[in-house]
Amino acid sequence: DQQVKQNSPSLSVQEGRISILNCDYTNSMFDYFLWYKKYPAEGPTFLISISSIKDKNEDGRFTVFLNKSAKHLSLHIVPSQPGDSAVYFCAFGGGSQGNLIFGKGTKLSVKP
Amino acid sequence: DVKVTQSSRYLVKRTGEKVFLECVQDMDHENMFWYRQDPGLGLRLIYFSYDVKMKEKGDIPEGYSVSREKKERFSLILESASTNQTSMYLCASSPGSPGEHGYTFGSGTRLTVV
Repeated sequence: DQQVKQNSPSLSVQEGRISILNCDYTNSMFDYFLWYKKYPAEGPTFLISISSIKDKNEDGRFTVFLNKSAKHLSLHIVPSQPGDSAVYFCAFGGGSQGNLIFGKGTKLSVKP
Repeated sequence: DVKVTQSSRYLVKRTGEKVFLECVQDMDHENMFWYRQDPGLGLRLIYFSYDVKMKEKGDIPEGYSVSREKKERFSLILESASTNQTSMYLCASSPGSPGEHGYTFGSGTRLTVV
């Protein structure tokens, strides 16, 4: 049973425009929602997170939105830059989970 | 600068070999994790540990074992390497609740089994 769905394997965006990455989840017990960014041949790095008591968290060009009723998490990057080209993973934690559960990743390509 | 260090960036091993992947963290974190990353499959949890000498199976433990003799070190063992274990292996650690604090990942080990 897949608790997390990151349905878009890839996304291509023009430099300067908005990138929107999405995840859906089924487990209503999740308390924490995170985004990680991964470059090839490197480990993932933490990008931004949000707890279940909030619906928005902003950090510079990155904003995470949580819609608990729809069980939907999104990451907005504005403006997108070529250096943002990477694979982005959503991750979920909390409740009875002793570990994070990751989506399958979305490969973002930002074209100059 | 806090770190999770994986001993090898690239490894090539033969089918049937016993393979050891080492991971060391210098943050005094209680929790350590091993994942593998494959295209289209995302990050899949192999094993994790909450404490020294303690281990828990993740989603895909078959063909793997782990060892945590010291708090800072978590080793992944491939008992008899097979070609379907060719993958990127990622070690991570976290303090307390992983959901609240997130993970710190190592740089990964790209393992090729031939």
